[in-house]
Amino acid sequence: DSGVTQTPKHLITATGQRVTLRCSPRSGDLSVYWYQQSLDQGLQFLIQYYNGEERAKGNILERFSAQQFPDLHSELNLSSLELGDSALYFCASSPPEDTGELFFGEGSRLTVL
Amino acid sequence: GQNIDQPTEMTATEGAIVQINCTYQTSGFNGLFWYQQHAGEAPTFLSYNVLDGLEEKGRFSSFLSRSKGYSYLLLKELQMKDSASYLCAVWDSNYQLIWGAGTKLIIKP
Repeated sequence: DSGVTQTPKHLITATGQRVTLRCSPRSGDLSVYWYQQSLDQGLQFLIQYYNGEERAKGNILERFSAQQFPDLHSELNLSSLELGDSALYFCASSPPEDTGELFFGEGSRLTVL
Repeated sequence: GQNIDQPTEMTATEGAIVQINCTYQTSGFNGLFWYQQHAGEAPTFLSYNVLDGLEEKGRFSSFLSRSKGYSYLLLKELQMKDSASYLCAVWDSNYQLIWGAGTKLIIKP
């Protein structure tokens, strides 16, 4: 157990819909990262927050948005869903001393039908 | 551009030794990580190298050569549970993690 909590674990929805994925980082961690992993693909970095502020942006589509709240939990919003958005979405957190090591949640598996 | 190369897939036999290579070209370097990821599960940290040389941790060792932009992960006494993907990631000059696509390791009895 990494200490990072993600909900929901599984989600099935239809094209055109909108979903919200939630992540609670490990206690004391200030950074939250979001990654997308399609079937048999590598990790695609989406976005990073540090203590409520956006720190880095990767290949995140305009249909996707995220935020980190004052209590440090984060949400990833995916809208106008397409079949190709079906993937595992991982959240990870890292300690304040920024060692580079990431602690990953178990992921949210999104299926778009 | 930034690039990390790893073999897509490797096969090895239970009890044997396997070496998974990773070459990188990144804008700066602040360290290299190896993660293990079982199918459908989250990646978990294996090792971190920032200086040249070999770091040993039980059955797993990781080597780094910064001048060659090269690293390898060595797995000894392979067990069936080592069947997984192994991800190489480099911390660049902006302290952003650049990920390789991963190497799927298949262990056969």
